[in-house]
Amino acid sequence: EIVMTQSPATLSVSPGERATLSCRASQSVSSNLAWYQQKPGQAPRLLIYDASTRATGIPARFSGSGSGTEFTLTISSLQSEDFAVYYCQQYNNWPPLTFGGGTKVEIK
Amino acid sequence: EVQLVESGGGLVQPGRSLRLSCTVSGFSFGDYTMSWVRQAPGKGLEWVGFIRSKTYGGTTEYAASVGGRFTISRDDSKSIAYLQMNSLKTEDTAVYYCTRDGRLFAYWGQGTLVTVSS
Repeated sequence: EIVMTQSPATLSVSPGERATLSCRASQSVSSNLAWYQQKPGQAPRLLIYDASTRATGIPARFSGSGSGTEFTLTISSLQSEDFAVYYCQQYNNWPPLTFGGGTKVEIK
Repeated sequence: EVQLVESGGGLVQPGRSLRLSCTVSGFSFGDYTMSWVRQAPGKGLEWVGFIRSKTYGGTTEYAASVGGRFTISRDDSKSIAYLQMNSLKTEDTAVYYCTRDGRLFAYWGQGTLVTVSS
């Protein structure tokens, strides 16, 4: 099973600032990596797939990079609606599909 | 518009069974793999399993934590996916989401809460 590790667990950022979230895989997942955003009481929303491709309707301030075992989600200028929990997920080696533990982006 | 609606959650005692349903609309259900993902209270996301479309044999895959206890099935004539949960444990307490597709999850239901407690 591929273990996905996200850091930091919590990120405190001021609106308008840049946020950088990390995700590490225990073995290579190539570029088969997705990012999701989840707000309280809501289902997750797909943001990024194939490590760097934005899903339909996702604003350009969200960008993904990386391959192999190291990945980054960057939010270039945080908006109020971006404060949420973010999860990475690998779909290279399955079953099982595996998620990271999440990074909570909170208002500083 | 793609819609997925889960139902069937509730309070159940340890060792008992429960069946969840996921009713979909807005796409050709029979053409897609359907997955279940769960989230324990205050915790992260955990993949439960999926069922492939009939085109790919309608076969299933499960997480080790639920294999042998949970069964995913589908009724393409009704556009419904099911999650049969047997021998439930307290650690199965979670919101259960159904999602479209088997690898990437662009479409999710609103989730249904299953609480396993005596």
